[in-house]
Amino acid sequence: DAGVIQSTRHEVTEMGQEVTLRCKPISGHDYLFWYRQTMMRGLELLIYFNNNVPIDDSGMPEDRFSAKMPNASFSTLKIQPSEPRDSAVYFCASSQTSGGSNTQYFGPGTRLTVL
Amino acid sequence: GDSVTQMEGPVTLSEEAFLTINCTYTATGYPSLFWYVQYPGEGLQLLLKATKADDKGSNKGFEATYRKETTSFHLEKGSVQVSDSAVYFCALSGYGGYNKLIFGAGTRLAVHP
Repeated sequence: DAGVIQSTRHEVTEMGQEVTLRCKPISGHDYLFWYRQTMMRGLELLIYFNNNVPIDDSGMPEDRFSAKMPNASFSTLKIQPSEPRDSAVYFCASSQTSGGSNTQYFGPGTRLTVL
Repeated sequence: GDSVTQMEGPVTLSEEAFLTINCTYTATGYPSLFWYVQYPGEGLQLLLKATKADDKGSNKGFEATYRKETTSFHLEKGSVQVSDSAVYFCALSGYGGYNKLIFGAGTRLAVHP
């Protein structure tokens, strides 16, 4: 059974460019989470969706960040324009409500470097 | 609001030593509690969980007991291996957001031969 897929493991871009990170959750999961991890700030929840609807985006650092979930099997996190301080590892995770389980399953992460 | 506090790392141990990583929490209601592990270059993986008071979660030789009276969920292992070197995160399911998890800062464990 495939886990959460973040097919891009490393992304390098230049300051000012737009960058889009992609995630495919586990089939049947109705929650999707985007996290950012840095040495300085640790693991931060940016935004999460339930049934494709954004529920809480209070962790999104600035208007330069946006996230979408057009369908149950795909989500994107976009940074426009990117800045060097956005360099971090971005994780996607998913979970399901049914069965009473709230365990989150994480993807391998995308390491973003903004030059 | 809800929060999780973990002991600061790094924790450095010799192989076969006993491990304890402390975790305490503040929460409204009755959260579920989790330990996740992150190996170098990887995402977080669920290690174990407990959903109610006095439950013990266990996996791969690791154990943690949900102690409501002390609001704690300490991680223990009787004999660590070099392969246990990783970062360990304690987490709870937040009030009002059943599927949203609140994570601690993480504790890095280094095990030497």
